[in-house]
Amino acid sequence: GEDVEQSLFLSVREGDSSVINCTYTDSSSTYLYWYKQEPGAGLQLLTYIFSNMDMKQDQRLTVLLNKKDKHLSLRIADTQTGDSAIYFCAESKPTDSWGKLQFGAGTQVVVTP
Amino acid sequence: DADVTQTPRNRITKTGKRIMLECSQTKGHDRMYWYRQDPGLGLRLIYYSFDVKDINKGEISDGYSVSRQAQAKFSLSLESAIPNQTALYFCATASPATSGGGQFFGPGTRLTVL
Repeated sequence: GEDVEQSLFLSVREGDSSVINCTYTDSSSTYLYWYKQEPGAGLQLLTYIFSNMDMKQDQRLTVLLNKKDKHLSLRIADTQTGDSAIYFCAESKPTDSWGKLQFGAGTQVVVTP
Repeated sequence: DADVTQTPRNRITKTGKRIMLECSQTKGHDRMYWYRQDPGLGLRLIYYSFDVKDINKGEISDGYSVSRQAQAKFSLSLESAIPNQTALYFCATASPATSGGGQFFGPGTRLTVL
């Protein structure tokens, strides 16, 4: 299909690890991104990964990329209440010279004490 | 700080009115975008621009128009607003040389059309 797919909701306890999953559409996508949206705010670019990588780590964030399955995940270690937000994955396709991104519908992450 | 700003942040208007939403950026990026966000539908691209001489339609451009007045300014107009244009509108900027071409978003404009 044409959609970037994400699960809609994830509940996690404070201090645990969160894993947010995404399935994208095009195995030739050049970059894949994770964004965070807090209530009343715009989307914040959290991290991105180039398609020739299979893992990227940035402090508490770990991105895993499985190109064969077109599967992207974001792991948040030691999840905090401030991590409660909607998380979007997005892909950039090489055919889109204008740098258009295809976004998933977002995963609502709720962190409970 | 280099940033993306949008004005107004909130707007309530009536059906048939002309509305302009404005976006400015100090990031020095050449690419600018307008999206709308509706609950459960994610982000949908309205228009995008590579530079001041270039305007392109996105997936949902009907009922909207844009103007790229300068590299740093990109405005979105609703010529005759209708209730199903009630949504959250975001401007974004990008450069191929920055963050893998990832887009940087403004804080959004919440538009309500009565």
